[in-house]
Amino acid sequence: DAKTTQPNSMESNEEEPVHLPCNHSTISGTDYIHWYRQLPSQGPEYVIHGLTSNVNNRMASLAIAEDRKSSTLILHRATLRDAAVYYCILLSGGSNYKLTFGKGTLLTVNP
Amino acid sequence: KAGVTQTPRYLIKTRGQQVTLSCSPISGHRSVSWYQQTPGQGLQFLFEYFSETQRNKGNFPGRFSGRQFSNSRSEMNVSTLELGDSALYLCASSLVVGQPQHFGDGTRLSIL
Repeated sequence: DAKTTQPNSMESNEEEPVHLPCNHSTISGTDYIHWYRQLPSQGPEYVIHGLTSNVNNRMASLAIAEDRKSSTLILHRATLRDAAVYYCILLSGGSNYKLTFGKGTLLTVNP
Repeated sequence: KAGVTQTPRYLIKTRGQQVTLSCSPISGHRSVSWYQQTPGQGLQFLFEYFSETQRNKGNFPGRFSGRQFSNSRSEMNVSTLELGDSALYLCASSLVVGQPQHFGDGTRLSIL
């Protein structure tokens, strides 16, 4: 499975944008980039996913580099509720949807 | 719309016992997956069910088993419990296989 690399931790201030990076230099052409997050004492929560083009939804934006070797999850205005561990995962297209989380990035949001 | 419901939330067992965990998916969701989450290993895939059939299986011993009922509800069973089975067990559902998954808050299993 293609591997992703994320910083262990990041810090942000409330109501400021947050850019969470992910490197995936061995990504294959059929791999989708998925982001999940996990708040304390809760199950993981799907955030967003994309293949080649940048994607937006009500929670976040996903910016994918042209060579697809890296991507950035963008939270436009961080809130205290966004404090969580964020996981960047590569999944092949099709029916094989077996999630495996690494250590992710622990995001701290300061009031 | 109710989310994924897992019961019980907490469970304490002793070595050698067996345990059954339950998962009710979001209404209309037919795919159910199970995961084990530990601080050391992170999130590990156990198995996935769709229409009462196991479609995928992770690298866990045969002591870990599961099933899905006709109403899409799923159960997971672990027999002959070991100390290393202490973990958060998460269930996730999706409309069909291959779609982003919605997780429950898990069952925290502690083995004494």
